Amino acid sequence: GAVVSQHPSWVICKSGTSVKIECRSLDFQATTMFWYRQFPKQSLMLMATSNEGSKATYEQGVEKDKFLINHASLTLSTLTVTSAHPEDSSFYICSASPQGAHGYTFGSGTRLTVV
Amino acid sequence: SQQGEEDPQALSIQEGENATMNCSYKTSINNLQWYRQNSGRGLVHLILIRSNEREKHSGRLRVTLDTSKKSSSLLITASRAADTASYFCATETSGSRLTFGEGTQLTVNP
Repeated sequence: GAVVSQHPSWVICKSGTSVKIECRSLDFQATTMFWYRQFPKQSLMLMATSNEGSKATYEQGVEKDKFLINHASLTLSTLTVTSAHPEDSSFYICSASPQGAHGYTFGSGTRLTVV
Repeated sequence: SQQGEEDPQALSIQEGENATMNCSYKTSINNLQWYRQNSGRGLVHLILIRSNEREKHSGRLRVTLDTSKKSSSLLITASRAADTASYFCATETSGSRLTFGEGTQLTVNP
């Protein structure tokens, strides 16, 4: 089946630093990938849609200068949290869907803790 | 507000019992999907039901969809302790956009 690999699975960083999260489709090409944020015991909130070769589409209220998305190839999208603050601490998950598939494949998520 | 709202928020049952979770949504959809999430992990796709379908089965899972009431239900039969997880419904509209419900935390006691 389709596999989406997300790295790192967890990261701790200091306030003011930047953190990059990678999302790779291992056995299929993904022209579109999705980035979600999930707070403890809450649902997933779509942050942005990552489009290969073009600019990402951000959801209302998501700062594009803070959450930089790059989708430079058909198998890799990256999310960079810039100038991280403690309130950015959360669980970030990416997803993609192979052409013709039913449903989406999710990465295993990245737990970000900003101290 | 969330497109999908689920109830109950939490459900605790004994192994072997059936578990039913419900999901309601507000707008027209292309399909509705159910996902499972173990604590601190990514989501696993369980089943997809299209807007023109009313019921679908997959192993011990049974999903219904009532587009007139904008609601869906997920039934897990003969539950096992390994079914303990959070279950989310997600509606897909045009543009491949998924909107998730609040989720139901299912605990199956051995």
